[in-house]
Formats: sequence, C-alpha cells, structure tokens
Amino acid sequence: DQQVKQNSPSLSVQEGRISILNCDYTNSMFDYFLWYKKYPAEGPTFLISISSIKDKNEDGRFTVFLNKSAKHLSLHIVPSQPGDSAVYFCAARYAGNMLTFGGGTRLMVKP
Amino acid sequence: NAGVTQTPKFRILKIGQSMTLQCTQDMNHNYMYWYRQDPGMGLKLIYYSVGAGITDKGEVPNGYNVSRSTTEDFPLRLELAAPSQTSVYFCASSPGLAGTDTQYFGPGTRLTVL
Repeated sequence: DQQVKQNSPSLSVQEGRISILNCDYTNSMFDYFLWYKKYPAEGPTFLISISSIKDKNEDGRFTVFLNKSAKHLSLHIVPSQPGDSAVYFCAARYAGNMLTFGGGTRLMVKP
Repeated sequence: NAGVTQTPKFRILKIGQSMTLQCTQDMNHNYMYWYRQDPGMGLKLIYYSVGAGITDKGEVPNGYNVSRSTTEDFPLRLELAAPSQTSVYFCASSPGLAGTDTQYFGPGTRLTVL
C-alpha cells in the first residue's frame, strides 16, 4: 500500500519555463514533507521541506505547496535549468523521523 | 567532512553468499538508516538506528541484519543472498531533531545477486 504516490514517472520541460512536480499522500498523520533530488549514481540530496502547519515554503527557484485537505503537495521550479534534470522524490515523515518515499519523477529540462 | 560514505560501490554475489555493506558517517548524527531502491520505485526502509546499541526494523527487514556498535558505523549484513535482494542500497543519517530533521544520504551500493 503506497502511502506516498508520484503519479508522473517523467516530465519534460523547456529551459526557462516552470516545472511542476506533484505528490499525493493518503496518511493524514504525516507531519512533515520533503523533496529530494537524485542524480544518476549518487545518493538523494535534500532540496526543500514543508511542515504540515504551513501551505507554502520557498527557497530561491524552488517552492513547495501543501494542500492538506486534498492530501497533495507540489514542487515548483522557476525558471527551470538544464542542471535541474534529475529524479525528484517526495517523502513524508511519520513516527518520529521515519520517511516514506514516493516512486520518483524524472525531470528533463531541455536547453 | 566526508558526510556519509558507503563501501563497496558495486558488488555481484552468487545466490546463497553473504556480505556486509559498510556505512560510515562523520557528522556525529544519532540516527542512521538503510534503504533499498528497486528500479522505478521509491526508497524502502530496511532498518534504522536511533543511537549506538539501538536498532529497529523498517518496512522490508527480511533477509537483512544490522548492528550499531558506534555512532559512526552502521553495517548492513546480507545472509544467504537471493535474487530478490538485487537493488541499490542507500545508507543515510540524520541528527534526530524533533522538528525539521533532514536525512543525508550516501552514494549507494549497487548489488546484483545471480
């Protein structure tokens, strides 16, 4: 039973445009959400997070939005750059510091 | 400051063999974790530790064992390797903060069981 889902396995965007990556969850007990970025042959690296008491968090070109009633969060990247091409994982925290991960979305930013 | 390091990077095992995946962190983090990532899937938690001498099972612990004798090291042991254990294994650590704890990952070990 996947509690965190990323329904789009891949996304292709033109350089300079907005990238929107989506994530849905089912467990209302999740209290903290994170996005990780992963390049090939490397481990995931932390990108941005949001607490369940907020609906938006911004860090430079990256903004995460949380809609608790819809159990949905999204990551916006504006403007997208070729170096943003990677796999993005959504993760949700439960039971202290344990994370449940989505299946990932491969973002390709075309020059 | 190397962060989280993992050895080996790659390994091929025969069915029934055993091996230990090494993980070391130099950030003095209390919490450490082992995940596996299968193709096209997210990371699944195998085992975790909240401090030296304390370990607990995650979502997919069968076929694995761990120990945590020091803060820095968290080895993962595979006994009697099976093809279903072919995966990429990631070790991670975090300070164990109550509020905004962030996990830091190693580069991974790609394991193939034939």
